[in-house]
Amino acid sequence: AIVLNQSPSSIIASQGEKVTITCRASSSISSNYLHWYQQKPGAFPKLVIYSTSYRASGVPSRFSGSGSGTSYSFTISRVEAEDVATYYCQQGSSNPYTFGAGTKLELK
Amino acid sequence: QVTLKESGPGILQPSQTLSLTCTFSGFSLSTYGMGVGWIRQPSGKGLEWLANIWWDDDKYYNPSLKNRLTISKDTSNNQAFLKITNVDTADTATYYCALITIAAISFDYWGQGVMVTVSS
Repeated sequence: AIVLNQSPSSIIASQGEKVTITCRASSSISSNYLHWYQQKPGAFPKLVIYSTSYRASGVPSRFSGSGSGTSYSFTISRVEAEDVATYYCQQGSSNPYTFGAGTKLELK
Repeated sequence: QVTLKESGPGILQPSQTLSLTCTFSGFSLSTYGMGVGWIRQPSGKGLEWLANIWWDDDKYYNPSLKNRLTISKDTSNNQAFLKITNVDTADTATYYCALITIAAISFDYWGQGVMVTVSS
């Protein structure tokens, strides 16, 4: 199974700050199959970025993604209060489809 | 507008079979490239993919649970199902179904989830 190592496991950021989350895969993944989800407290996950760098419908432009091979990143250019959530990367390249352990974003 | 909603028993005893239903709208499981996946999340923990079923009835299971899982669908009634046999306390979790598309194997839309507790 492809293991996705997300870092950091938690971030405390100020509003307006830029934050970046890294997702490193144990094997190379096609960029088409690497995705990011946002899960707000008490809610279900929501697709934010698909295929490495494409924003899902309705997702603000402050969210972006990049990467290739085994190294991917997710960035919020200017954190807002509504971005408090846990963020997960996920690979659909090979069975079993796996998720990273999550990065919890909190506001200072 | 795509919506999905999970339903299940709420609570069941160890060794029983868990039966989950996903009722959806806004897409058809007879359309090329469409699929439904099941994912679970123990309270306070991460996400674990369980199984997918595709428009052509192709099925994929997480090998770690494969012998215990059965996924199926009822296209005419816009439903997908998951059965997990021989449950134990480790199966206590919120179970989600989600729309997936074959182009990227991303979980594009999620249901609100159903909490399942296994307890004697």
